[in-house]
Amino acid sequence: EIVLTQSPATLSLSPGERATLSCRASQSVSSYLAWYQQKPGQAPRLLIYDASNRATGIPARFSGSGSGTDFTLTISSLEPEDFAVYYCQQRSNWPRITFGGGTKVEIK
Amino acid sequence: EVQLVESGGVVVQPGGSLRLSCAASGFTFDDYTMHWVRQAPGKGLEWVSLISWDGGSTYYADSVKGRFTISRDNSKNSLYLQMNSLRTEDTALYYCAKDTGDYDHYFDYWGQGTLVTVSS
Repeated sequence: EIVLTQSPATLSLSPGERATLSCRASQSVSSYLAWYQQKPGQAPRLLIYDASNRATGIPARFSGSGSGTDFTLTISSLEPEDFAVYYCQQRSNWPRITFGGGTKVEIK
Repeated sequence: EVQLVESGGVVVQPGGSLRLSCAASGFTFDDYTMHWVRQAPGKGLEWVSLISWDGGSTYYADSVKGRFTISRDNSKNSLYLQMNSLRTEDTALYYCAKDTGDYDHYFDYWGQGTLVTVSS
């Protein structure tokens, strides 16, 4: 099973600041990585797939990068609605699909 | 508009059984692989199972293999999860999720979830 480790566990930032979230895989997942946003009481929302492709309707302030074992989700300037938990997910060795443990982006 | 509506979650005793349902609308259901993903209270996401567009291929997480069965009825635009031999660690919010393609294995639409509580 491929283990995804997200860091930091919590990121405390102010609106307008840049957020950089990390996801590290225990072995290469090529570019088969996605990012999701989850707000309290809501289902997750797909942000990024195949490491760097924004999903439909996702604002340009969200960007993804990386390949192999190291990936980054960047939010260029945090909006109030961006404070949430973010998960990465790999599909490289499906059907053993796995998620990372999540990073909470909270208001400082 | 794509909609996924789960139902069937209840409180059940350890060792019991339960069947979850997911009603899909707003897209061509039989064009897509479908998944179940769960989230234990206060915890992260765990993929549970997937089924191909025609039901011909099914896969399971090791944690549920041999106990859960995924199925679909394309004539009813519905997805199911039969859960047997339930354990306390199966307590979670169960989401139905649509694959982004036939076998892409990303999830672009999710239901709101149905809560399964396994407790004596």
